[in-house]
Amino acid sequence: ETGVTQTPRHLVMGMTNKKSLKCEQHLGHNAMYWYKQSAKKPLELMFVYSLEERVENNSVPSRFSPECPNSSHLFLHLHTLQPEDSALYLCASSRTSGGTQETQYFGPGTRLLVL
Amino acid sequence: EDQVTQSPEALRLQEGESSSLNCSYTVSGLRGLFWYRQDPGKGPEFLFTLYSAGEEKEKERLKATLTKKESFLHITAPKPEDSATYLCAVIGSYGGATNKLIFGTGTLLAVQP
Repeated sequence: ETGVTQTPRHLVMGMTNKKSLKCEQHLGHNAMYWYKQSAKKPLELMFVYSLEERVENNSVPSRFSPECPNSSHLFLHLHTLQPEDSALYLCASSRTSGGTQETQYFGPGTRLLVL
Repeated sequence: EDQVTQSPEALRLQEGESSSLNCSYTVSGLRGLFWYRQDPGKGPEFLFTLYSAGEEKEKERLKATLTKKESFLHITAPKPEDSATYLCAVIGSYGGATNKLIFGTGTLLAVQP
Protein backbone atom coordinates (compact mmCIF):
# COMPACT_ATOMS: atom_id res chain seq x y z
CA GLU A 1 0.00 0.00 0.00
CA THR A 2 1.05 3.56 -0.56
CA GLY A 3 0.37 6.85 1.20
CA VAL A 4 -1.52 7.02 4.46
CA THR A 5 -4.06 4.33 5.37
CA GLN A 6 -6.66 4.32 8.14
CA THR A 7 -8.81 1.58 9.63
CA PRO A 8 -11.62 1.16 10.15
CA ARG A 9 -13.22 3.46 7.58
CA HIS A 10 -16.52 3.52 9.47
CA LEU A 11 -17.23 2.93 13.16
CA VAL A 12 -20.41 3.01 15.23
CA MET A 13 -20.01 2.78 18.98
CA GLY A 14 -21.98 3.28 22.13
CA MET A 15 -20.94 5.71 24.82
CA THR A 16 -19.63 2.93 27.05
CA ASN A 17 -17.56 1.16 24.38
CA LYS A 18 -13.80 1.19 23.94
CA LYS A 19 -12.40 1.20 20.43
CA SER A 20 -9.21 2.16 18.63
CA LEU A 21 -8.50 3.88 15.33
CA LYS A 22 -5.39 2.88 13.43
CA CYS A 23 -3.25 4.88 11.02
CA GLU A 24 -0.25 3.71 9.01
CA GLN A 25 1.97 5.79 6.74
CA HIS A 26 4.11 4.36 3.94
CA LEU A 27 5.87 7.61 3.01
CA GLY A 28 8.95 7.45 5.22
CA HIS A 29 7.76 10.41 7.26
CA ASN A 30 8.68 11.08 10.87
CA ALA A 31 5.73 13.15 12.09
CA MET A 32 2.10 12.05 12.44
CA TYR A 33 -1.08 13.89 13.32
CA TRP A 34 -4.69 13.31 14.36
CA TYR A 35 -7.34 15.78 13.20
CA LYS A 36 -11.09 15.98 13.84
CA GLN A 37 -13.42 17.22 11.10
CA SER A 38 -16.99 18.11 12.07
CA ALA A 39 -19.67 19.40 9.73
CA LYS A 40 -19.37 23.10 8.90
CA LYS A 41 -16.23 23.48 11.03
CA PRO A 42 -12.56 23.70 10.07
CA LEU A 43 -10.29 20.74 10.64
CA GLU A 44 -9.14 20.74 14.25
CA LEU A 45 -5.69 19.49 15.18
CA MET A 46 -5.85 17.04 18.08
CA PHE A 47 -2.40 15.50 18.52
CA VAL A 48 1.04 15.69 16.94
CA TYR A 49 3.84 13.17 17.22
CA SER A 50 7.27 14.11 15.95
CA LEU A 51 10.01 11.48 16.00
CA GLU A 52 7.64 9.34 18.06
CA GLU A 53 7.29 11.92 20.82
CA ARG A 54 4.05 13.75 21.47
CA VAL A 55 4.70 17.45 20.89
CA GLU A 56 1.13 18.75 20.83
CA ASN A 57 -2.00 17.94 22.76
CA ASN A 58 -4.49 20.52 21.61
CA SER A 59 -6.71 20.60 24.72
CA VAL A 60 -8.30 17.31 23.78
CA PRO A 61 -10.49 15.54 26.38
CA SER A 62 -8.88 12.57 28.10
CA ARG A 63 -11.43 10.19 26.57
CA PHE A 64 -9.17 10.40 23.49
CA SER A 65 -5.78 8.75 24.02
CA PRO A 66 -3.14 8.66 21.28
CA GLU A 67 -0.34 6.14 20.90
CA CYS A 68 2.61 6.20 18.51
CA PRO A 69 4.66 2.98 18.82
CA ASN A 70 6.93 3.86 15.87
CA SER A 71 7.22 6.45 13.11
CA SER A 72 4.91 4.52 10.77
CA HIS A 73 1.98 3.78 13.07
CA LEU A 74 -0.41 5.94 15.05
CA PHE A 75 -3.41 4.94 17.12
CA LEU A 76 -6.27 6.84 18.70
CA HIS A 77 -7.86 4.99 21.60
CA LEU A 78 -11.45 5.94 22.34
CA HIS A 79 -13.43 5.36 25.53
CA THR A 80 -16.66 6.69 27.01
CA LEU A 81 -17.23 9.03 24.09
CA GLN A 82 -20.09 11.49 23.78
CA PRO A 83 -22.47 11.92 20.82
CA GLU A 84 -20.77 15.25 20.02
CA ASP A 85 -17.59 13.30 19.30
CA SER A 86 -19.20 11.95 16.14
CA ALA A 87 -17.06 13.24 13.26
CA LEU A 88 -14.53 12.30 10.60
CA TYR A 89 -11.17 11.54 12.20
CA LEU A 90 -8.24 12.13 9.91
CA CYS A 91 -4.65 11.02 10.23
CA ALA A 92 -1.83 12.84 8.47
CA SER A 93 1.92 12.52 8.19
CA SER A 94 4.82 14.71 7.15
CA ARG A 95 8.55 14.94 7.24
CA THR A 96 10.09 17.32 9.74
CA SER A 97 13.21 19.12 8.57
CA GLY A 98 14.42 22.15 10.49
CA GLY A 99 12.45 25.31 9.74
CA THR A 100 10.87 24.15 6.49
CA GLN A 101 7.15 23.45 6.73
CA GLU A 102 6.75 20.12 5.04
CA THR A 103 3.44 19.23 3.47
CA GLN A 104 1.08 17.04 5.46
CA TYR A 105 -0.50 14.11 3.61
CA PHE A 106 -3.83 12.82 4.82
CA GLY A 107 -5.43 9.42 5.06
CA PRO A 108 -9.02 8.70 4.00
CA GLY A 109 -10.39 9.13 7.50
CA THR A 110 -12.56 7.15 9.89
CA ARG A 111 -16.21 8.18 10.02
CA LEU A 112 -17.22 7.78 13.69
CA LEU A 113 -20.78 7.75 14.97
CA VAL A 114 -21.36 7.70 18.74
CA LEU A 115 -24.82 6.62 19.82
CA GLU B 1 -5.73 35.70 16.52
CA ASP B 2 -4.45 33.65 13.61
CA GLN B 3 -7.24 32.69 11.25
CA VAL B 4 -8.14 31.67 7.72
CA THR B 5 -11.28 32.76 5.89
CA GLN B 6 -12.37 31.20 2.62
CA SER B 7 -14.91 32.61 0.19
CA PRO B 8 -17.32 31.93 -1.23
CA GLU B 9 -18.67 29.13 0.96
CA ALA B 10 -20.17 27.51 -2.12
CA LEU B 11 -19.77 28.08 -5.85
CA ARG B 12 -21.67 26.60 -8.75
CA LEU B 13 -20.11 26.82 -12.21
CA GLN B 14 -21.00 25.62 -15.66
CA GLU B 15 -18.44 23.40 -17.33
CA GLY B 16 -15.84 25.66 -18.96
CA GLU B 17 -16.74 28.68 -16.83
CA SER B 18 -13.51 29.90 -15.19
CA SER B 19 -13.50 31.39 -11.68
CA SER B 20 -11.40 31.94 -8.56
CA LEU B 21 -11.61 30.87 -4.93
CA ASN B 22 -10.27 33.15 -2.22
CA CYS B 23 -8.36 32.40 0.97
CA SER B 24 -7.69 35.37 3.27
CA TYR B 25 -5.40 34.83 6.19
CA THR B 26 -4.21 36.58 9.31
CA VAL B 27 -1.15 34.93 10.74
CA SER B 28 2.03 35.95 12.51
CA GLY B 29 4.93 35.24 10.20
CA LEU B 30 3.55 33.07 7.39
CA ARG B 31 5.71 29.99 6.90
CA GLY B 32 3.56 28.20 4.37
CA LEU B 33 0.11 28.22 2.74
CA PHE B 34 -1.42 24.96 1.55
CA TRP B 35 -4.31 24.10 -0.76
CA TYR B 36 -6.10 20.77 -0.52
CA ARG B 37 -8.99 19.20 -2.36
CA GLN B 38 -11.47 17.04 -0.44
CA ASP B 39 -14.07 14.75 -1.97
CA PRO B 40 -17.09 13.69 0.12
CA GLY B 41 -16.21 11.07 2.75
CA LYS B 42 -12.50 11.18 1.91
CA GLY B 43 -9.39 12.78 3.34
CA PRO B 44 -7.92 16.01 1.94
CA GLU B 45 -5.72 15.56 -1.12
CA PHE B 46 -2.69 17.83 -1.36
CA LEU B 47 -2.63 20.31 -4.25
CA PHE B 48 -0.11 23.13 -3.66
CA THR B 49 2.25 24.71 -1.15
CA LEU B 50 3.15 28.40 -1.40
CA TYR B 51 5.80 30.00 0.77
CA SER B 52 6.18 33.66 -0.20
CA ALA B 53 4.21 36.52 -1.73
CA GLY B 54 4.35 36.53 -5.51
CA GLU B 55 4.74 32.77 -5.76
CA GLU B 56 2.51 30.89 -8.22
CA LYS B 57 2.01 27.18 -8.89
CA GLU B 58 0.00 25.35 -11.53
CA LYS B 59 -1.42 21.89 -11.96
CA GLU B 60 -3.68 21.07 -14.90
CA ARG B 61 -6.64 23.48 -14.69
CA LEU B 62 -5.64 24.88 -11.29
CA LYS B 63 -3.35 27.78 -10.50
CA ALA B 64 -2.58 29.04 -6.99
CA THR B 65 -1.23 32.51 -6.24
CA LEU B 66 -0.14 34.19 -3.02
CA THR B 67 -0.01 37.77 -1.74
CA LYS B 68 0.80 39.04 1.74
CA LYS B 69 -2.84 38.82 2.80
CA GLU B 70 -4.54 36.24 0.61
CA SER B 71 -4.28 33.40 -1.83
CA PHE B 72 -6.36 32.63 -4.88
CA LEU B 73 -7.07 29.30 -6.48
CA HIS B 74 -7.90 29.95 -10.12
CA ILE B 75 -9.83 27.27 -11.98
CA THR B 76 -9.65 27.53 -15.75
CA ALA B 77 -12.30 25.81 -17.89
CA PRO B 78 -13.44 23.51 -15.08
CA LYS B 79 -14.86 20.05 -15.65
CA PRO B 80 -17.44 18.17 -13.54
CA GLU B 81 -14.64 16.09 -12.02
CA ASP B 82 -13.27 19.29 -10.43
CA SER B 83 -16.30 19.32 -8.14
CA ALA B 84 -15.09 19.04 -4.53
CA THR B 85 -14.44 21.08 -1.40
CA TYR B 86 -11.24 23.11 -1.63
CA LEU B 87 -9.46 23.74 1.66
CA CYS B 88 -6.87 26.37 2.47
CA ALA B 89 -4.51 26.11 5.45
CA VAL B 90 -1.58 28.12 6.83
CA ILE B 91 1.32 27.67 9.21
CA GLY B 92 2.63 30.72 11.02
CA SER B 93 5.62 31.38 13.20
CA TYR B 94 3.73 29.80 16.12
CA GLY B 95 3.96 26.49 14.30
CA GLY B 96 7.29 25.62 15.84
CA ALA B 97 7.96 21.93 16.21
CA THR B 98 4.32 21.00 15.86
CA ASN B 99 3.83 22.00 12.21
CA LYS B 100 0.35 23.15 13.25
CA LEU B 101 -1.95 23.91 10.33
CA ILE B 102 -4.80 26.42 10.68
CA PHE B 103 -7.58 25.51 8.25
CA GLY B 104 -10.41 27.50 6.70
CA THR B 105 -13.89 26.01 6.37
CA GLY B 106 -13.50 25.43 2.66
CA THR B 107 -15.27 26.30 -0.59
CA LEU B 108 -17.69 23.73 -1.96
CA LEU B 109 -17.36 23.78 -5.75
CA ALA B 110 -19.96 22.21 -8.02
CA VAL B 111 -19.30 22.11 -11.78
CA GLN B 112 -22.30 21.27 -13.89
CA PRO B 113 -22.01 19.69 -17.36
